[in-house]
Amino acid sequence: DAGVTQSPTHLIKTRGQHVTLRCSPISGHKSVSWYQQVLGQGPQFIFQYYEKEERGRGNFPDRFSARQFPNYSSELNVNALLLGDSALYLCASSSLGSGNQPQHFGDGTRLSIL
Amino acid sequence: ILNVEQSPQSLHVQEGDSTNFTCSFPSSNFYALHWYRWETAKSPEALFVMTLNGDEKKKGRISATLNTKEGYSYLYIKGSQPEDSATYLCAFIGGATNKLIFGTGTLLAVQP
Repeated sequence: DAGVTQSPTHLIKTRGQHVTLRCSPISGHKSVSWYQQVLGQGPQFIFQYYEKEERGRGNFPDRFSARQFPNYSSELNVNALLLGDSALYLCASSSLGSGNQPQHFGDGTRLSIL
Repeated sequence: ILNVEQSPQSLHVQEGDSTNFTCSFPSSNFYALHWYRWETAKSPEALFVMTLNGDEKKKGRISATLNTKEGYSYLYIKGSQPEDSATYLCAFIGGATNKLIFGTGTLLAVQP
């Protein structure tokens, strides 16, 4: 079975642009979470979606938005990109989205803002 | 602000050494504590999810303990091998949220 897949692998954007990152969860998993990881820090929680509804949101500005589709895949959108948005964006899935289940991570999308 | 701290920040050991690291988290409103292993150029891999005070989990040469009353968890690696070289992350979930709050990780390098 395929693991969590993310696309694209790498992306270069300039300030002010917007970006869409994509994630396909493990088959059968209904929960998708997004994390931002900058060098020297642990991943920071951005969003969790379960059954197409937002279940949690981290301390990120409204420029960050996400959605989950009927097939449980998800998109993370970031508008008006800033230099500080340069990071590795990780997607993770779990079957029910509860905190006592391990999360399965993708390889991430490396976003660079020039 | 919930804080999860890991120590040490990095560790260099020789092959065959046993080692351990610490994860400290808020002792109130505990729900679960996760451990992940993250090798360079790979995705984070779940090691353990621990929910009960006094819990001990084991996976091969790696084991973990949990003390929710004092807010810490230890990860132990017995007889370290070069393939154990990775960053080990812990993450705390408190209360009714599903939000994983990660520490900054412990970078382990095992020299052959």
